[in-house]
Amino acid sequence: EAQVTQNPRYLITVTGKKLTVTCSQNMNHEYMSWYRQDPGLGLRQIYYSMNVEVTDKGDVPEGYKVSRKEKRNFPLILESPSPNQTSLYFCASRKRDRESHGYTFGSGTRLTVV
Amino acid sequence: AQSVSQHNHHVILSEAASLELGCNYSYGGTVNLFWYVQYPGQHLQLLLKYFSGDPLVKGIKGFEAEFIKSKFSFNLRKPSVQWSDTAEYFCAVNRYGGSQGNLIFGKGTKLSVKP
Repeated sequence: EAQVTQNPRYLITVTGKKLTVTCSQNMNHEYMSWYRQDPGLGLRQIYYSMNVEVTDKGDVPEGYKVSRKEKRNFPLILESPSPNQTSLYFCASRKRDRESHGYTFGSGTRLTVV
Repeated sequence: AQSVSQHNHHVILSEAASLELGCNYSYGGTVNLFWYVQYPGQHLQLLLKYFSGDPLVKGIKGFEAEFIKSKFSFNLRKPSVQWSDTAEYFCAVNRYGGSQGNLIFGKGTKLSVKP
């Protein structure tokens, strides 16, 4: 089944403890992206990647890192999480073609930083 | 900066009522336009998309949207809503050319349908 898989689905952590949220897609998509969703703010893009080893900042990149060493994986790294990073995170991917079907989203990771 | 505006934060309708959700974007060049739906507790799913051609686009579950270039709008419509349409709806814009990975979302409109 074509899908974007994120892990974990739920995570509670403490301030300052490094964590990684994994994202993997099995559709051979070039583009991958991370969003955070907060009430009243909709989805805001954190980082995106247009292909292997090509990443760029979205609207809210502060406090996050990403890497794209392989086409299928796009992990999101929080080196020193803070409570304002408590949010619902979505990974998404799509093909490079302009007339692709749009992003396919993962099921989300609900992160709580205490 | 490129932005997407959704006019209604929360819309409450009775079953069988007609729906129209507004979406305006600020970018003046060629754009790809999307509507996504997020059912409670789930991830986003694509409802419909517009790239070119007929400005009236039909999507899944009886939804349609009309692209009006002169108004920078892409409003979502459904003639008769059902209780199962209760969800949050997001309009999104992808600028063609340049930074194609940068899909910008509106803040969303919550739709509550009363049975």
